[in-house]
Amino acid sequence: DSGVTQTPKHLITATGQRVTLRCSPRSGDLSVYWYQQSLDQGLQFLIQYYNGEERAKGNILERFSAQQFPDLHSELNLSSLELGDSALYFCASSVGTAGQPQHFGDGTRLSIL
Amino acid sequence: AQTVTQSQPEMSVQEAETVTLSCTYDTSENNYYLFWYKQPPSRQMILVIRQEAYKQQNATENRFSVNFQKAAKSFSLKISDSQLGDTAMYFCAFMTRGSQGNLIFGKGTKLSVKP
Repeated sequence: DSGVTQTPKHLITATGQRVTLRCSPRSGDLSVYWYQQSLDQGLQFLIQYYNGEERAKGNILERFSAQQFPDLHSELNLSSLELGDSALYFCASSVGTAGQPQHFGDGTRLSIL
Repeated sequence: AQTVTQSQPEMSVQEAETVTLSCTYDTSENNYYLFWYKQPPSRQMILVIRQEAYKQQNATENRFSVNFQKAAKSFSLKISDSQLGDTAMYFCAFMTRGSQGNLIFGKGTKLSVKP
């Protein structure tokens, strides 16, 4: 058990819809990272938050957004969903210091029908 | 741009034997960190081992060890005494000191341990 909690484990929805993925980091971790894992693109970094503030952006689409709340949990919002958004979405957390390992949640499997 | 390459899409090994997974990376940075993560069929991402680029000594965690060759930009993972539970996808990942901690992953190597 990594200590990182992601909900829900699975999501099935239709094109054009909007979903929210939730992540609770490990106790004591201030940084939250979101990654997308798909068959064609592999594991890609989406966005990072540190103590409530956005720190870095990767290959995140404009239809996607995220935030980190005062209790440090984070949400990833995906809107106007397309078939290509079907993927495994991981949240990871770390203390936020450079070089410290990231601990991953079990992921949310998103399926777009 | 920084890239991570894992040239072996699939490998297999007999139980109790040793196997080495390859990883090369490309960067112009001097301060960075390297990681191996394991993803079993349960799909969890599990940290296996971590290496700091400024340390010449190769990292070791129980049956897992790395061969870090900084000049060659190579970071291979050796698994000794392979066990059935080692069957998984293995991802090599890279992080620069100044990148805010974003991991860049290779495409992965699927390792099968055979009884």
